[in-house]
Amino acid sequence: DIQMTQSPSSLSASVGDRVTITCRASQGISNSLAWYQQKPGKAPKLLLYAASRLESGVPSRFSGSGSGTDYTLTISSLQPEDFATYYCQQYYSTPPLTFGGGTKVEIK
Amino acid sequence: EVQLVESGGGLVQPGGSLRLSCAASGFTFSSYWMSWVRQAPGKGLEWVANIKQDGSEKYYVDSVKGRFTISRDNAKNSLYLQMNSLRAEDTAVYYCARDRGTYCGGDCYGYWGQGTLVTVSS
Repeated sequence: DIQMTQSPSSLSASVGDRVTITCRASQGISNSLAWYQQKPGKAPKLLLYAASRLESGVPSRFSGSGSGTDYTLTISSLQPEDFATYYCQQYYSTPPLTFGGGTKVEIK
Repeated sequence: EVQLVESGGGLVQPGGSLRLSCAASGFTFSSYWMSWVRQAPGKGLEWVANIKQDGSEKYYVDSVKGRFTISRDNAKNSLYLQMNSLRAEDTAVYYCARDRGTYCGGDCYGYWGQGTLVTVSS
């Protein structure tokens, strides 16, 4: 199984900050990576897929990059509605499909 | 509009059984792989199982193999998860999920239900 490790597990940031979240796979996943945002009590929302493709309707301040085993989610200018938990997920080698442990973005 | 609505959650004793349902609408249900993903209280997301369009292929996370069974009824646009021999560690919100439609081979979840809570406790 491919293990997905996210860092940091939490961070504090201010509105307007640039935020970067990292996801590392235990083996190469060839850009088969998705990012989700989840707010308390709600279902996850797909933000990006194929490492860098923005899902329809998602603001352009969200971007993704990476290759091989290392990937990043960047929020260029954090907005109040972006405070949430973010998860990466690999779909290169399934089953099982695997998620990272999550990164909670909190208000500083 | 794609809609996924789960039902069937509740409180069950360890060793008991529960059947979750997911009613799908707004898309051609028989054309998509479907999945169950769960989230234990305060924890991260865990993929549980998925099923091919015609039900001919089913896959499970190791921790539920032999206890859970995923199935679907394309005539009723419904997905199911039969959960037997339930354990405390199965306590979670269970989400029904569908792929976004392209690029991800069925495994990027662009559509989710609201979730149904399963609590396993005596």
